[in-house]
Amino acid sequence: GAVVSQHPSWVICKSGTSVKIECRSLDFQATTMFWYRQFPKQSLMLMATSNEGSKATYEQGVEKDKFLINHASLTLSTLTVTSAHPEDSSFYICSARDLTGRSYEQYFGPGTRLTVT
Amino acid sequence: AQKITQTQPGMFVQEKEAVTLDCTYDTSDPSYGLFWYKQPSSGEMIFLIYQGSYDQQNATEGRYSLNFQKARKSANLVISASQLGDSAMYFCAMTLINTGNQFYFGTGTSLTVIP
Repeated sequence: GAVVSQHPSWVICKSGTSVKIECRSLDFQATTMFWYRQFPKQSLMLMATSNEGSKATYEQGVEKDKFLINHASLTLSTLTVTSAHPEDSSFYICSARDLTGRSYEQYFGPGTRLTVT
Repeated sequence: AQKITQTQPGMFVQEKEAVTLDCTYDTSDPSYGLFWYKQPSSGEMIFLIYQGSYDQQNATEGRYSLNFQKARKSANLVISASQLGDSAMYFCAMTLINTGNQFYFGTGTSLTVIP
């Protein structure tokens, strides 16, 4: 099956610094990638939809200046958490749609656990 | 608006027994897909099973089957012969086929398999 990777798998950073998380589709091309955030014992919340070559679409309540998304190629999308604060500590998961597959299929990355101290 | 409801925050099942995890959904779009994912403590989302709104038969994948009742808008997951490794969070999700965009997730059910 299709594989999506995320890097790093976990990261600890100090308050006020920025952190970049990468999401890669390893064996397929993805015009659309999605970024989710998951707090402990809660469901996945969609943060934004990332389209290759265009601006991301953010969900209501998500600060686009804080969570910068770049989808520069068909296999890579990045999420940068700028000026991170402890409340940004969460599990971030990306998913990707396969261009050649069924339009509704998404493949999930393994997630990135962010801890802001 | 689309909505997924999972009313069981936690479930327990004896090893080797079957268990049903409930999921109801709400949408006015006739073309949709329903998914079940397993999320172990490691955090990865593991795809289990898919059911399309126009599929005539209930989906099955090994020990997983989806009890799809369209009129009731329910898509319950049945796990047969539970194993200790089945202990995890289970999420029901829906997507709209024609838009093919975001997934709508339920709040999840934590399943514990008791030896």
